[in-house]
Amino acid sequence: EAGVTQFPSHSVIEKGQTVTLRCDPISGHDNLYWYRRVMGKEIKFLLHFVKESKQDESGMPNNRFLAERTGGTYSTLKVQPAELEDSGVYFCASSLDRAGYGYTFGSGTRLTVV
Amino acid sequence: ILNVEQSPQSLHVQEGDSTNFTCSFPSSNFYALHWYRWETAKSPEALFVMTLNGDEKKKGRISATLNTKEGYSYLYIKGSQPEDSATYLCAFRNFGNEKLTFGTGTRLTIIP
Repeated sequence: EAGVTQFPSHSVIEKGQTVTLRCDPISGHDNLYWYRRVMGKEIKFLLHFVKESKQDESGMPNNRFLAERTGGTYSTLKVQPAELEDSGVYFCASSLDRAGYGYTFGSGTRLTVV
Repeated sequence: ILNVEQSPQSLHVQEGDSTNFTCSFPSSNFYALHWYRWETAKSPEALFVMTLNGDEKKKGRISATLNTKEGYSYLYIKGSQPEDSATYLCAFRNFGNEKLTFGTGTRLTIIP
């Protein structure tokens, strides 16, 4: 079974530019989560999709961040315009059920805003 | 605001020695405690999901215990090997909430 795949693995952009991160969950996993780790700090929750619906987006930092999951398959996270403090590692995870078991992470996208 | 703390922040251990570290979390409204092993540029690897007070789980040389009443979990590594070098993350989940709250991790380095 293929794991959770994230693209790109690294991205370096200038402040003010737009970046779109993509996550392909494990096939059949209805639940998809985005998390972020800013340098030296803990991994923090951003949002949770159940199929194509946003179940919880309480962790989204501000309206420069937009997440979508059209058709309930892959998801994108767009940052527009990017700011320096957006730098970090963005993780995606997926799970089959909502109990939290079988919670599989991708390897993350390392975003650097300069 | 939920607070999950891990200690120590970093640890150097001689190869062959055993070690342990701690995760503390809120004792109220507990649902589950997750442990992950994470190497930079790789996916965090799930080690254990613990739900019951007094739970003990084992995977090879790694084991974990859980005390939900006092709000802590220990992770033990027996006979450390160089491949155990990684950051070990714990994450707490409470009832009524599906998100995980992570600690900052314990960075373990095994010295050959």
